[in-house]
Amino acid sequence: KNQVEQSPQSLIILEGKNCTLQCNYTVSPFSNLRWYKQDTGRGPVSLTIMTFSENTKSNGRYTATLDADTKQSSLHITASQLSDSASYICVVSASPTGKSTFGDGTTLTVKP
Amino acid sequence: EPEVTQTPSHQVTQMGQEVILRCVPISNHLYFYWYRQILGQKVEFLVSFYNNEISEKSEIFDDQFSVERPDGSNFTLKIRSTKLEDSAMYFCASSEKGYSNQPQHFGDGTRLSIL
Repeated sequence: KNQVEQSPQSLIILEGKNCTLQCNYTVSPFSNLRWYKQDTGRGPVSLTIMTFSENTKSNGRYTATLDADTKQSSLHITASQLSDSASYICVVSASPTGKSTFGDGTTLTVKP
Repeated sequence: EPEVTQTPSHQVTQMGQEVILRCVPISNHLYFYWYRQILGQKVEFLVSFYNNEISEKSEIFDDQFSVERPDGSNFTLKIRSTKLEDSAMYFCASSEKGYSNQPQHFGDGTRLSIL
């Protein structure tokens, strides 16, 4: 069964600090891995997309890594801001246009 | 910046009734998706749609569900004979192309409550 596991479930950090979120998956076949940010009451917003051949992708203060051999990914957030408080969701797709498996998300709280 | 819009934001329907959720994807996008999120659970893929046909669908997307692009702008999800367990947030998304590296843009969802 395809699964995406994220850790930690929740995380509290101080503004300005860095953090790393983890994602392990067992999805097969593999097409791409996406990280989304979801604010409360809003739809997910795409942060990074990585295909099999990519092992790192950056988007501003967000950097995602992918190890396709161990089926692990991480999302690193540098110099956190209060607006980074949100749920971060890892999604692994078996094909480019469908059959995506979502993780439960990590709830990040950034405090002043 | 163009965005995906969904209406209504909240729909309340009696069990057994039919409901239609509406979405307006970004205008130059060709691929469309529906997802659902039951309260407290993870987001689940329902269906993808391209060129007026379903591309892929999940096990959840059974005969109770149907999708349609009735005109050049709207993309709809119809749920027939709704059940209590259909209560969830339904998200529509669109992407310009169907490649692995194409971002999907999500709407803010329709909260469906079945009474």
